[in-house]
Order: sequence, then C-alpha cells, then structure tokens
Amino acid sequence: GENVEQHPSTLSVQEGDSAVIKCTYSDSASNYFPWYKQELGKRPQLIIDIRSNVGEKKDQRIAVTLNKTAKHFSLHITETQPEDSAVYFCAATDSWGKFQFGAGTQVVVTP
Amino acid sequence: SQTIHQWPATLVQPVGSPLSLECTVEGTSNPNLYWYRQAAGRGLQLLFYSVGIGQISSEVPQNLSASRPQDRQFILSSKKLLLSDSSFYLCASVVGTGGPLPSYEQYFGPGTRLTVT
Repeated sequence: GENVEQHPSTLSVQEGDSAVIKCTYSDSASNYFPWYKQELGKRPQLIIDIRSNVGEKKDQRIAVTLNKTAKHFSLHITETQPEDSAVYFCAATDSWGKFQFGAGTQVVVTP
Repeated sequence: SQTIHQWPATLVQPVGSPLSLECTVEGTSNPNLYWYRQAAGRGLQLLFYSVGIGQISSEVPQNLSASRPQDRQFILSSKKLLLSDSSFYLCASVVGTGGPLPSYEQYFGPGTRLTVT
C-alpha cells in the first residue's frame, strides 16, 4: 500500500518569511495529492491539491509542487502570517482512492 | 457540494460503557466513507473505511466496530470503551471527481471529541 512521509514535524518561521513542507510517497499509481490545514480543535480543511498531470499549482500565498519521477510533493507558503499557524497534513491517494496521510507538520508563525 | 454531519460533538463516557457515533452525508451519493481517530497532538489514524452499504474494512484491530446501514450513514461503535479510546473522531467522505484523470476528494466532518473517564 501507499506510504507517505512528511517533514519537518515542526516548523517555526517569522512572520513574512516562507514555509516549506515536504512529503514523499511510495505508490507510483497515486494521482491526487491534497494538503489539509487543521487548526486546534477543528477538522482538517482542504487548502490546496494537485493532480498527477500537473507539476505546480498556486493559490494566492500557497503553492504546491509535484515531482512524479522522484515521488515527492511540497507545500509552499509565502509571506506567512500568524493565522497560518496550524498543523498541515499532506496525503496521497492510491489507485483505489484510499487516502494515506503524512504525520503532520506543526507550523508556528511568530510575529 | 457535500455536507458531513457528526454527532454528538462531544461525549464523556465511563470506562466499560458502550459507544455509538454517527456520521451522515448530504449532497452526494455512494461515497466512500471513513472513520479516523486523532489523539491530542497526533496524526490521523484510519480506523475503518466503507465502499458501500454493509461493506466495512478494518485498518486497525481493536475494540471498535463500524457499520454502514444506509448509503450515506456510517456508525462507529464499541461494546466496552477503554481509557485509550479518548480521542477526536473524524468521519470523512470521499467522492470520485471523474474527468480525464479520475481522482478523489476527501472532506471531513466536524468531529466528535470523546473523553473516557
């Protein structure tokens, strides 16, 4: 089955700096890679996703890149703000459509 | 778009008592449904998934069970709760997006926070 590894587990950045979270996956048949943001006590919310026929996708201050050959994908947050502080999870779906999540990254943005 | 309901939102139960958590989905049909558990400060642990009525697959053997009596209803149960069952329980729905490159999108319900005392 699919295995997703996520790094780093914690990330502290100063407000205005960029944050990058990286994930690797094992199943070359995976074709959908979402990123979720989870604030304390809340449900994970989908913030951006990328499909395997695209190498990069951007939505305002967040972007995701995908390298299918190397089987890794990354989340980039630019001009970080205090409200970006949360836990971020990456995921990959295998050919069945079952989601495998990374372990999560705690992002702390300090003013 | 689909909406996922979970209840109760919070629950405090004594050790050894039974459990029933319910999840219902609106706005879609024939979704794949999931139960996840998330301990404080931890990641998402997949407990059960279902591809249709009466079809349940277990990911982690433990004192929990799941049932899917209707297409858009998914229930998580236990006959006897353990202290270690205290957690945040999330139901999720996955639907295929079709198109030239079929894939799936997953959305989460609001969750149930269970405390076993």
